[in-house]
Amino acid sequence: AQTVTQSQPEMSVQEAETVTLSCTYDTSESDYYLFWYKQPPSRQMILVIRQEAYKQQNATENRFSVNFQKAAKSFSLKISDSQLGDAAMYFCAYRSPDPDSWGKLQFGAGTQVVVTP
Amino acid sequence: GAGVSQSPSNKVTEKGKDVELRCDPISGHTALYWYRQSLGQGLEFLIYFQGNSAPDKSGLPSDRFSAERTGGSVSTLTIQRTQQEDSAVYLCASSLADRGETQYFGPGTRLLVL
Repeated sequence: AQTVTQSQPEMSVQEAETVTLSCTYDTSESDYYLFWYKQPPSRQMILVIRQEAYKQQNATENRFSVNFQKAAKSFSLKISDSQLGDAAMYFCAYRSPDPDSWGKLQFGAGTQVVVTP
Repeated sequence: GAGVSQSPSNKVTEKGKDVELRCDPISGHTALYWYRQSLGQGLEFLIYFQGNSAPDKSGLPSDRFSAERTGGSVSTLTIQRTQQEDSAVYLCASSLADRGETQYFGPGTRLLVL
C-alpha cells in the first residue's frame, strides 16, 4: 500500500517570498501520478499542479513548481512570490496506475500555509 | 455548470436519521468519486464510479453507507442511521476518464450529526 507523508503541519511565509512544502511517498510502482491540491476555507479542493512519474521534467504552473525526485520518492511544492490568496491547506496526493486502485487518490495530512503581509 | 456541484452545502441531522448527499459531476466526465474529510482521519476515499462498470466500494466504512449513480451522471451518497462519527465534509470529484486523469472536486457537503 502507498502512503503519503507531509511532515510540515504549518508553514508561514511573507508576501512576495518563497515557501517550499515537502511531500514524500512510499510505493513500489514505477508509473504513477502525483498532485498538489489547495483547499482554502471555502472547502473547494483546487488542483495546483500534477506530475506524471514517467516524466523527468519538473512540472510548473506560473508561480508554482515542483521538485520531483523519483529515486528519493519526494515531491515538494515551491510557491514563489507568495500572495495573500495563496493562504490555504495544501495536500499532496498519489494516484496508482494499478487498475484496482485507479479511483483512489491517497492524500497526505496537509500543510497549512499562512501568508503574512 | 462549469464545475462539480454538491448539495446541500451543509446538513445537520439527528443521530439515527438517514441522509442523502447529492453530486452533479462536470458534464462529460465519466468517472465520479466520493471522499470523506474528517479531523481525525484526514481525506479518505469512499467509492468510485466509472461508466457502466461496477463501482469500487472498497472505501465505504460500513454497510450504512451506499451510493448510486443514475444515468452515468448524478450521484447520491446515502448514510443510514447516522452516527456522530459520520460528521465530516463529504467531497465529490469527477474526471474525464480514470487512470491518470485529474480529479476535479466540488465544494463538499458538511455533515453534522447531533
